[in-house]
Amino acid sequence: DGGITQSPKYLFRKEGQNVTLSCEQNLNHDAMYWYRQDPGQGLRLIYYSQIVNDFQKGDIAEGYSVSREKKESFPLTVTSAQKNPTAFYLCASRTDSLIGAFFGQGTRLTVV
Amino acid sequence: EDQVTQSPEALRLQEGESSSLNCSYTVSGLRGLFWYRQDPGKGPEFLFTLYSAGEEKEKERLKATLTKKESFLHITAPKPEDSATYLCAVQAPSGTYKYIFGTGTRLKVLA
Repeated sequence: DGGITQSPKYLFRKEGQNVTLSCEQNLNHDAMYWYRQDPGQGLRLIYYSQIVNDFQKGDIAEGYSVSREKKESFPLTVTSAQKNPTAFYLCASRTDSLIGAFFGQGTRLTVV
Repeated sequence: EDQVTQSPEALRLQEGESSSLNCSYTVSGLRGLFWYRQDPGKGPEFLFTLYSAGEEKEKERLKATLTKKESFLHITAPKPEDSATYLCAVQAPSGTYKYIFGTGTRLKVLA
């Protein structure tokens, strides 16, 4: 079945550690996105990529990094520079500008 | 500034009590308005895309409509399984692949 897979579903890390969230899609979509969702706030864009080997900062990119070496994969690294990393992280992909993005099931990151 | 505002923030309905959710937007050159459903702890599920004023889309008990300034998600005779957060998003102006999301409406349908 085609879809977007995020892993792990839950992630716990100590403060000061970098952590990488995985996002894989087998939909052959060109564009991929990372969003952060906090209670009472809308989805906020961290990074997005329109093609392989290219990506752009979103509205809240500070403290995060990404890579897009393969069309299927768009991993997100939450670095120790991110001041408040505890959140629900959502990956999405899209192939056509006339169609909405499809989302993965999310990764809940808790930093203790 | 491009912006999406959803109202109400939360809505409680009795089963069978129809209502509407609102999504108002300000964006230069709308390239698409999208509705999603999100269940707790899960990713948003795509529902509808609307492109031009006057357009309507339907799916089961849901009907989405679009005007030049806002969109409505009408829920007819809702059931408890319709309980979820409903998100609205618009596509940013040409040249980017960005979406702008509202904060959502939390819908609770009581049996």
